[in-house]
Amino acid sequence: DAGITQSPRYKITETGRQVTLMCHQTWSHSYMFWYRQDLGHGLRLIYYSAAADITDKGEVPDGYVVSRSKTENFPLTLESATRSQTSVYFCASSEGLLALSSYNEQFFGPGTRLTVL
Amino acid sequence: GEDVEQSLFLSVREGDSSVINCTYTDSSSTYLYWYKQEPGAGLQLLTYIFSNMDMKQDQRLTVLLNKKDKHLSLRIADTQTGDSAIYFCAESGDSGGYQKVTFGTGTKLQVIP
Repeated sequence: DAGITQSPRYKITETGRQVTLMCHQTWSHSYMFWYRQDLGHGLRLIYYSAAADITDKGEVPDGYVVSRSKTENFPLTLESATRSQTSVYFCASSEGLLALSSYNEQFFGPGTRLTVL
Repeated sequence: GEDVEQSLFLSVREGDSSVINCTYTDSSSTYLYWYKQEPGAGLQLLTYIFSNMDMKQDQRLTVLLNKKDKHLSLRIADTQTGDSAIYFCAESGDSGGYQKVTFGTGTKLQVIP
């Protein structure tokens, strides 16, 4: 199916465990993003990627690792999960953003609700 | 860094107009956006406005931009129960060749039948 998908949709894990959240898009968009959504904080950018093998930190990168070996996939790994990482995680993608004359629409996946016990 | 602020909650009666407000700090913003998030789903772009415009109308939606005060608003006319959602304001500006988007905290709109 075309679009952007995330898996799993729900995950419960324990403190200290490694967790990987998957994101896949079928549009061949250059840019991909990971956000976390928390009450009172809105959306905060964790990491983003401009292309395969190019990633950069966002606002709240600590405790997270990303990779992008293929354009269509952008997994997010919590190396040692903590309770403060309990959140809803959204992956998003968009086309190349170099032209400031173009508006920048981001397309969001359905989200992964992660609970760390 | 850039900051985008919104009130957290708004309640309106069905058929009334809703006005959701947003303030931002980045004076170099090029585009401003409104995204809608329905329960259990990701965000979807609702509308956007270029920074050199002060108004944009799209059916029941009216976006007003006061660039001097860095204030953006979204007016929904004849609000319906299907408009119940969280609305995010966002702005984008140049960040070294990359058009960085900053989202606000989101306003939860409750429509009372």
